[in-house]
Amino acid sequence: EPEVTQTPSHQVTQMGQEVILRCVPISNHLYFYWYRQILGQKVEFLVSFYNNEISEKSEIFDDQFSVERPDGSNFTLKIRSTKLEDSAMYFCASRETRTDDREKLFFGSGTQLSVL
Amino acid sequence: RKEVEQDPGPFNVPEGATVAFNCTYSNSASQSFFWYRQDCRKEPKLLMSVYSSGNEDGRFTAQLNRASQYISLLIRDSKLSDSATYLCVVTDPNTDKLIFGTGTRLQVFP
Repeated sequence: EPEVTQTPSHQVTQMGQEVILRCVPISNHLYFYWYRQILGQKVEFLVSFYNNEISEKSEIFDDQFSVERPDGSNFTLKIRSTKLEDSAMYFCASRETRTDDREKLFFGSGTQLSVL
Repeated sequence: RKEVEQDPGPFNVPEGATVAFNCTYSNSASQSFFWYRQDCRKEPKLLMSVYSSGNEDGRFTAQLNRASQYISLLIRDSKLSDSATYLCVVTDPNTDKLIFGTGTRLQVFP
């Protein structure tokens, strides 16, 4: 079965540092997402991305966050100046179509970000 | 009111038991509903979609009651491997983002 790949699996950083979380979506997918899950809490939507631009973003996704698809295969989430409360598991997801087969959303295995 | 509300559990059941999880959602305009399964510190994985007519996949049965804004999942003949957190998920009616509940933890014991 095709997979969404995320790297690294764990990232430890100091508060105030920049981090880039990387994702390789499934190759024929067109819609890309980032979700996060703080330990013990629910999975939360961060941002959706289609046709090289953000489709929607949540309140969490403030100016410290940005996404990019730099080379047609990678999809990255950058946090410019990390805060303690950014510590969470970050999941990348991708989908082939928007409304048909809506349930065919594939999640990557996540990057656990720890901000010290 | 929370967008998607679930009993957090845990539900501790013996192998072979039948267990039911419930979920309520706040936005009556929501169109798509799902149950996901999440193992500890892993990604959510789609278990099944939920349709108004109800649907079954092996030992799993999902039901949707739009009038009550209520979704259920029934697991029959529980296996040890069913131990996980079950996430009720609803789509935002205006976008394609998924709205997750906090999950219900199931522990099946021998």
